[in-house]
Amino acid sequence: DSGVTQTPKHLITATGQRVTLRCSPRSGDLSVYWYQQSLDQGLQFLIQYYNGEERAKGNILERFSAQQFPDLHSELNLSSLELGDSALYFCASSPSQGGPGANVLTFGAGSRLTVL
Amino acid sequence: DAKTTQPPSMDCAEGRAANLPCNHSTISGNEYVYWYRQIHSQGPQYIIHGLKNNETNEMASLIITEDRKSSTLILPHATLRDTAVYYCIVRVEGAGGTSYGKLTFGQGTILTVHP
Repeated sequence: DSGVTQTPKHLITATGQRVTLRCSPRSGDLSVYWYQQSLDQGLQFLIQYYNGEERAKGNILERFSAQQFPDLHSELNLSSLELGDSALYFCASSPSQGGPGANVLTFGAGSRLTVL
Repeated sequence: DAKTTQPPSMDCAEGRAANLPCNHSTISGNEYVYWYRQIHSQGPQYIIHGLKNNETNEMASLIITEDRKSSTLILPHATLRDTAVYYCIVRVEGAGGTSYGKLTFGQGTILTVHP
């Protein structure tokens, strides 16, 4: 157990639907990151939050959005789902927004999304 | 970030040392070398990182050449549970701004440890 909790572990849904993935970071960590891993794209950075504020964006689709709440948990919302959105979605956390160890991330076990 | 090059796959016998190479010939002076691994469909796991000195922790050792253009991750006594994809990532540490934690995972090296 890494200390980063992701729910649900598995999710099957249909095209056009909307889903929400949830992440609880490791205790004390203020930064949350979302990554997507698909068979053809590998692991890709989506978005990062620090203490409730968006800090960095990667190749995140406009149909996707995220937020970090005051209790520091984060949610990734995926809407108008397409077949190509089927992937593993990982959440990671780290204590800081910079300085030593800023790139040492603790990853959760992931949420596997299947779009049919 | 400097580009990294890793062999696509390697084999290692259980109990022997696994030496995973990484080339990063365009690395800048303030960029660190990070290693992560991913056991099948699990979340990536941080292993070790370093700037120019050799580093060791409970999981592995990291050897960085003097010119910093390449490095080797060493798992001293590989076990079957070390079978995973190993990623070498070069990144500025504590870059501040919006760049930290935004890791670029390449294809990595698939390490297979066999009995």
